[in-house]
Amino acid sequence: AQKITQTQPGMFVQEKEAVTLDCTYDTSDPSYGLFWYKQPSSGEMIFLIYQGSYDQQNATEGRYSLNFQKARKSANLVISASQLGDSAMYFCAPQAINTGTASKLTFGTGTRLQVTL
Amino acid sequence: GAVVSQHPSWVICKSGTSVKIECRSLDFQATTMFWYRQFPKQSLMLMATSNEGSKATYEQGVEKDKFLINHASLTLSTLTVTSAHPEDSSFYICSARDLQSLGQRMDTQYFGPGTRLTVL
Repeated sequence: AQKITQTQPGMFVQEKEAVTLDCTYDTSDPSYGLFWYKQPSSGEMIFLIYQGSYDQQNATEGRYSLNFQKARKSANLVISASQLGDSAMYFCAPQAINTGTASKLTFGTGTRLQVTL
Repeated sequence: GAVVSQHPSWVICKSGTSVKIECRSLDFQATTMFWYRQFPKQSLMLMATSNEGSKATYEQGVEKDKFLINHASLTLSTLTVTSAHPEDSSFYICSARDLQSLGQRMDTQYFGPGTRLTVL
């Protein structure tokens, strides 16, 4: 079974500052993807960003970027210019890539981010 | 964007009764849907993978006779919690895999808004 480690159960960041949320994973799959999701208090899961293990460059999506270090099996999420609405739980989830079959997501323990004024 | 709905959004039931939760993909076809359970302050745990027209695949430790899954069409999967007990109280979330994402770079799952189940 995959082991996903998010070492920060809780983080605080001031508004407009940048914050990095850690994620390391243990996979033997030769090809995989790495998802980050945001879960506000309402419970919905919001897709943020995706990185493929074969991607040459780190993924970026607006204020979100990934610091992907394949050799270390690490994919840290960087949120720039934090906003109050960023306060939520954040989960990373690796996924094996299997052509033709649906690959399940395995979620990390999550990090609760609180953005302060 | 792809939208997944769940119904009901919350339900309260008495111990011993059964509760059915629906998961629908509204604007795309989903051959595969996933059911997750999330206890307070915990992560999402995959319960089962539901494939249209075939039996669901349950994760280890999940009782298939207690959590009945039916995926009768490309847009609907249902989870029935049979003989619910207070320990089944949880947040149940489904996700649907877009048929179009087969073989694509990113195998995207779209999540429903979740169903909060409280068993008294």
